[in-house]
Amino acid sequence: AQTVTQSQPEMSVQEAETVTLSCTYDTSESDYYLFWYKQPPSRQMILVIRQEAYKQQNATENRFSVNFQKAAKSFSLKISDSQLGDAAMYFCAYEGTGTASKLTFGTGTRLQVTL
Amino acid sequence: DSGVTQTPKHLITATGQRVTLRCSPRSGDLSVYWYQQSLDQGLQFLIQYYNGEERAKGNILERFSAQQFPDLHSELNLSSLELGDSALYFCASSAPTPNTEAFFGQGTRLTVV
Repeated sequence: AQTVTQSQPEMSVQEAETVTLSCTYDTSESDYYLFWYKQPPSRQMILVIRQEAYKQQNATENRFSVNFQKAAKSFSLKISDSQLGDAAMYFCAYEGTGTASKLTFGTGTRLQVTL
Repeated sequence: DSGVTQTPKHLITATGQRVTLRCSPRSGDLSVYWYQQSLDQGLQFLIQYYNGEERAKGNILERFSAQQFPDLHSELNLSSLELGDSALYFCASSAPTPNTEAFFGQGTRLTVV
């Protein structure tokens, strides 16, 4: 079974600085998808960024980018120019391919943004 | 707004009772997923429906059941509730194409007292 590990329960970053959240996963599949979701205090699960395993290029979305290391099964999220609104729980998630796919989540990293 | 609607937003009920959580997917989405988020278990996949049929099953208790109706809305039924069932229950939906983005509703906060 696939597992997702987030080893940082909490992280803190100053406004305008850069922070990297770590995620590792375990799978025997060669093709899959990886995600970072943000959960602010409103509880809404918001997709931050998505990476297809067959793509070597790291995904980027504005201030958010990933470092995808397939051989190492590592998928970290870098947030640049951190803003107060970035404060939230961040979940790394894995999804296999196919129509019966589902998201397997890590335990989350709580990000605090300080002035 | 993700386009996925869950009702009710909050639910408080007693142990032993039965509740029904409702989810309306985004327009055009055929897949509906149910997830449970609790403090001790984290975010766990419960079950997936695709166009009315059960597609995948996760860590769903036998006391729980779900269905997807012809209009594609879905209901999650939780019975013989225990204190440990207190959690945030999310519904998500996705388009018919496999591995497209799943959009989450705002969740139903269930408290069992």
